Amino acid sequence: DQQVKQNSPSLSVQEGRISILNCDYTNSMFDYFLWYKKYPAEGPTFLISISSIKDKNEDGRFTVFLNKSAKHLSLHIVPSQPGDSAVYFCAASENYGGSQGNLIFGKGTKLSVKP
Amino acid sequence: EAQVTQNPRYLITVTGKKLTVTCSQNMNHEYMSWYRQDPGLGLRQIYYSMNVEVTDKGDVPEGYKVSRKEKRNFPLILESPSPNQTSLYFCASSSGGGRPGANVLTFGAGSRLTVL
Repeated sequence: DQQVKQNSPSLSVQEGRISILNCDYTNSMFDYFLWYKKYPAEGPTFLISISSIKDKNEDGRFTVFLNKSAKHLSLHIVPSQPGDSAVYFCAASENYGGSQGNLIFGKGTKLSVKP
Repeated sequence: EAQVTQNPRYLITVTGKKLTVTCSQNMNHEYMSWYRQDPGLGLRQIYYSMNVEVTDKGDVPEGYKVSRKEKRNFPLILESPSPNQTSLYFCASSSGGGRPGANVLTFGAGSRLTVL
């Protein structure tokens, strides 16, 4: 059973507009959430994270929102730029990864930002 | 530069021919992990290691072996590769969990493996 779900395989947005990527999770023990960005022919790179004690974390054009009651988080990119075109992975862990540091990843959403 | 280095980046091999994908990190990280990425399936964990001589299975360990004899190295071994192991493989490391930010993974650039 998938614990982290990204139900939209792809998203297309016009440059300058807002991109909203969604992620749902089923494990109520998850307390730390991360977003990774992946360009073709490169490894995923860390983008932004949020712990369960917060409902919002902002870093420049990127904001992550967490709704614990709905077990839902979203990544907002404002304004979107063509260089943001990539696959975005949502990931989650328990006890901040506990002694294992394990992250559970979603399947990813491919974002295309059109000029 | 802090990084995770994987080799080879690309490899075409034949069924049954043993191969090893090496992974090395220079950040003194305790935690290391291998993932495979397949279309429509995202990133799935193969094996992970919490520290030297401590390894454990992830979600898709069948057909793979790992070892962690040194802190910096975590090779992935395919004893008898099969075509269903054709995939894009990523090694990753982190300082370990237990506090916010400690389990942020740093990924290698990936190794694309094709098994004929």
